[in-house]
Amino acid sequence: GAGVSQSPSNKVTEKGKDVELRCDPISGHTALYWYRQSLGQGLEFLIYFQGNSAPDKSGLPSDRFSAERTGGSVSTLTIQRTQQEDSAVYLCASSLDGKEADTQYFGPGTRLTVL
Amino acid sequence: QKEVEQNSGPLSVPEGAIASLNCTYSDRGSQSFFWYRQYSGKSPELIMSIYSNGDKEDGRFTAQLNKASQYVSLLIRDSQPSDSATYLCAVKGTGRRALTFGSGTRLQVQP
Repeated sequence: GAGVSQSPSNKVTEKGKDVELRCDPISGHTALYWYRQSLGQGLEFLIYFQGNSAPDKSGLPSDRFSAERTGGSVSTLTIQRTQQEDSAVYLCASSLDGKEADTQYFGPGTRLTVL
Repeated sequence: QKEVEQNSGPLSVPEGAIASLNCTYSDRGSQSFFWYRQYSGKSPELIMSIYSNGDKEDGRFTAQLNKASQYVSLLIRDSQPSDSATYLCAVKGTGRRALTFGSGTRLQVQP
């Protein structure tokens, strides 16, 4: 079946602009995660959605970052007033139900470059 | 102290040898552990998951977990040049659903 998809694959923007990144999880997966990976760094957790529960926003680095998940499926990560330090690969992952032994599957990522 | 620590490498092994990748974690209550492989410019791909102390084998890969020592490892037997990639150790901390990743070990398999 289809895996996690993300769009756009690449995004170049100017400092101060807002950007929206989209994630379409694997069909039937109720849990969705956003991570980011800066050059040469490990993956950093941003936000987690599970079904209709309130999202875990504990990883968002500032209030310029927000995310929503509509209808329990597609998610959009929004970065307002982008800064150069926001440049990174933004990875979305989904899993079946978010439980302890659940496996997360990653999408191809969106490479964001802030000039 | 980082929550999940890995040697950044590069770890260089000859083709056909065993590659041993190590990871330590700080949250003693962690129950789920994962190894992901990441080729340059690509997204992480799950290699192995392990939840109980001991060894878990899948083909050429063996994951080892020692919760008392807070240590998890990945062995790759008969290493191939196609195994050259960065290997990421990921841990689910106590009560958490998101993964905490180490910074990865870069493996180079020399033909």
